[in-house]
Amino acid sequence: SQKIEQNSEALNIQEGKTATLTCNYTNYSPAYLQWYRQDPGRGPVFLLLIRENEKEKRKERLKVTFDTTLKQSLFHITASQPADSATYLCALENFNKFYFGSGTKLNVKP
Amino acid sequence: GAGVSQSPRYKVTKRGQDVALRCDPISGHVSLYWYRQALGQGPEFLTYFNYEAQQDKSGLPNDRFSAERPEGSISTLTIQRTEQRDSAMYRCASSPRPPGSYNEQFFGPGTRLTVL
Repeated sequence: SQKIEQNSEALNIQEGKTATLTCNYTNYSPAYLQWYRQDPGRGPVFLLLIRENEKEKRKERLKVTFDTTLKQSLFHITASQPADSATYLCALENFNKFYFGSGTKLNVKP
Repeated sequence: GAGVSQSPRYKVTKRGQDVALRCDPISGHVSLYWYRQALGQGPEFLTYFNYEAQQDKSGLPNDRFSAERPEGSISTLTIQRTEQRDSAMYRCASSPRPPGSYNEQFFGPGTRLTVL
């Protein structure tokens, strides 16, 4: 069956450090992958999209990589801030349907 | 600008009643998706529309669930003869382009359904 795996354990880091979140998938061949941020009680908010032919994508302090051989995406937040604390979800599109991971909660401590 | 809105935000109903959940997408958005999200989990696909056409309903749990988008804008997710296991957060999302077009999704705040 198709699976998207994100680390279910919360990631605790100190302000100013780089946070790295992992998304692994099996039995998919996605044309692209997305990352979303979700705050408690709110809907997910789109952050970045990376296509299968792109190895890396950047947006301000965010960087996403996509390795279709490893079937893995890494999401980096550099110079992290307490305001970056949230749950981060990865999502794949397969035959026009979106499949989400369960998310990783990031806690950035001042 | 106005984002995706959903109503009601909270719905408490008794087992066996029908409920209708409404989604107002961003104006002009072509694609519309319905999801169910359990606490601590990511959104789970239910169904999606390209304009008014329901393209895939394979995620709907059973035939008590249905959805429509008759004019290609507002959508309604209907659950008939609700059961306690239907209790969840129901979210909709819209996208500016047709499905399969490297679409980002804009999510609404969700409707929290509680079936007693």
